[in-house]
Amino acid sequence: EPEVTQTPSHQVTQMGQEVILRCVPISNHLYFYWYRQILGQKVEFLVSFYNNEISEKSEIFDDQFSVERPDGSNFTLKIRSTKLEDSAMYFCASRDLLEPQHFGDGTRLSIL
Amino acid sequence: DQQVKQNSPSLSVQEGRISILNCDYTNSMFDYFLWYKKYPAEGPTFLISISSIKDKNEDGRFTVFLNKSAKHLSLHIVPSQPGDSAVYFCAVLYGGATNKLIFGTGTLLAVQP
Repeated sequence: EPEVTQTPSHQVTQMGQEVILRCVPISNHLYFYWYRQILGQKVEFLVSFYNNEISEKSEIFDDQFSVERPDGSNFTLKIRSTKLEDSAMYFCASRDLLEPQHFGDGTRLSIL
Repeated sequence: DQQVKQNSPSLSVQEGRISILNCDYTNSMFDYFLWYKKYPAEGPTFLISISSIKDKNEDGRFTVFLNKSAKHLSLHIVPSQPGDSAVYFCAVLYGGATNKLIFGTGTLLAVQP
């Protein structure tokens, strides 16, 4: 069964550094998402992406965050200058038109 | 921001018995609901969904019930198996074409052999 893959599984970064989280969505999917889960809290929507542009972003997704689909297969989340509170599990998801969202296994981001 | 609530953080059930996981929501405009299951170190996996035009949807051992007037849904697992032990998230589909998910806090189900 096709799946969403995320790399790396764990990223440790110094505060203030830039980090890029990578995702390969399922190949025929058209809609892409990033969510995050801070330890002990609920999974929260960050951003959705369709037709090469952001379709919606949450209040969390400020100017420090950006997303890109640089080629036909990758979907990336960049945090420009990381803060301690960015430490969380970040999940990528994708879906086709009438399907539920399929999630990757996440990247654990630890900011020191 | 408690639009979707799962008031039981954990539930323990004997193998073979029924597991009932509950979820409440606040917005009567929500019209599509999903349950996801999550094992440690994995992402959420879609389990079952229900539209507001139905009050029940069944898939094998899993049944979701929707009570629109009470803004409540529940997931029944019968019979429960040890492999069902996981965190279960209730989620609402929201936002038109965006279709983002709004998740509850999750319920950790432990099925005892």
